[in-house]
Parts: sequence; structure tokens; C-alpha cells
Amino acid sequence: SAVISQKPSRDICQRGTSLTIQCQVDSQVTMMFWYRQQPGQSLTLIATANQGSEATYESGFVIDKFPISRPNLTFSTLTVSNMSPEDSSIYLCSAAIAGEEGNEQFFGPGTRLTVL
Amino acid sequence: AQSVTQPDIHITVSEGASLELRCNYSYGATPYLFWYVQSPGQGLQLLLKYFSGDTLVQGIKGFEAEFKRSQSSFNLRKPSVHWSDAAEYFCAFPLNAGKSTFGDGTTLTVKP
Repeated sequence: SAVISQKPSRDICQRGTSLTIQCQVDSQVTMMFWYRQQPGQSLTLIATANQGSEATYESGFVIDKFPISRPNLTFSTLTVSNMSPEDSSIYLCSAAIAGEEGNEQFFGPGTRLTVL
Repeated sequence: AQSVTQPDIHITVSEGASLELRCNYSYGATPYLFWYVQSPGQGLQLLLKYFSGDTLVQGIKGFEAEFKRSQSSFNLRKPSVHWSDAAEYFCAFPLNAGKSTFGDGTTLTVKP
């Protein structure tokens, strides 16, 4: 299994500013992901954080808005840039570990972002 | 494309009553399927998983789920609900490369 921590746990930000969210995993993992959960909604995958190369973004998400770093196998950051109220969401970091039968995905506690 | 659907947005049950949360999947072959729980202000916790083999899967916190290919379903059940089970429940379809697609979630309210 994997234990994932995120910082900050919550923040309130002003429109036009940027926030960087940190994700730390307690073991080395190959696969890390960032998800967004808008109020009352399900989880939507933003991107796969690749170690040593550029992140792979899902449709509707771009690097300029959500730059991601992955400097090593235990750490990643997601920046929400030039924020607007529509960016108010919970941002969740996730890591997948290969099990005997398939990959298991573990999640951090999330970062609750409110943009005013 | 692979997907999961949770038909019930909100379910209310009395404490001690049984619970069934529905999940339907769309996939041409036998899928892997997970159930997660998200308590208020918390991240997601894996309740149980189905990869293959026995179609009745036991999970944590007294939950179980049954994979039914004929109905394309993977419903979550619990024989007796506790007040602490009030949460959001997500059915998920693991994709390749470790990521997953999630259903819209079902909010469970437990009445005293």
C-alpha cells in the first residue's frame, strides 16, 4: 500500500493568483496522478505525472493552466495557475501500485481550494 | 469506451437497515472494478476490488460487492448500516497505466 500526504489541506485564494499543491508518497511509485473533484461532482483525471518527463494531460486540461512537476518517484506538485472561481475544487493526488492481480490506486486526503 | 454508471445520486437508509448501492459498467470484456468511500472532508478509501475469480468480493468495514456479468453490475452491499457509513461512495473502473474512471457517486445518508 501507499500513504499519501498533501499540502496544503485547504486554501482560499484570490482570483488571478496561483497555488502549488504538494504531494508526498511514503514509498517509491511509478505512477502518480492528479484528479479534480468539483463541488458535488465525481473525480476527473487532470494528468499523469511522469517522472523525468512532461506530464500527460487529459482532454480539457493544459500545461499552462495546470503545470505539474515530478522530480522523483515519491513527490509531485500541481500548480493551479491564474485562478478563477471556476477552479474552486478539491484536488487529489493519487498513486498506483502494481498488485498481484492488477494496479491498485491510493489517494491523498485532497486539497480543498476556494477561489474568490 | 469503458465507463461506470451509478444510477442513484442519493440514498437514505435507517441505521441497522441493509444497504445496496448500484453500479453498472460498460465494457466489452471482463472489467476490473473498485468501490471507494469518501467521508466528508477526506480523501478516497478503497473498500473492495474485483479483478477476477469469485464474483462475491468481501471488503473492509463489512461491505461486500457482487459482480454480475449478465447484468453488467457490481453492486455494493452491507447487511446492517452504521451511522458512520454516511459518506459518498464511488464505483471505479481501473484503466490502463494505473488510472481510473469514476462513476458520479452516491451520497449515503443514515437516519437514526
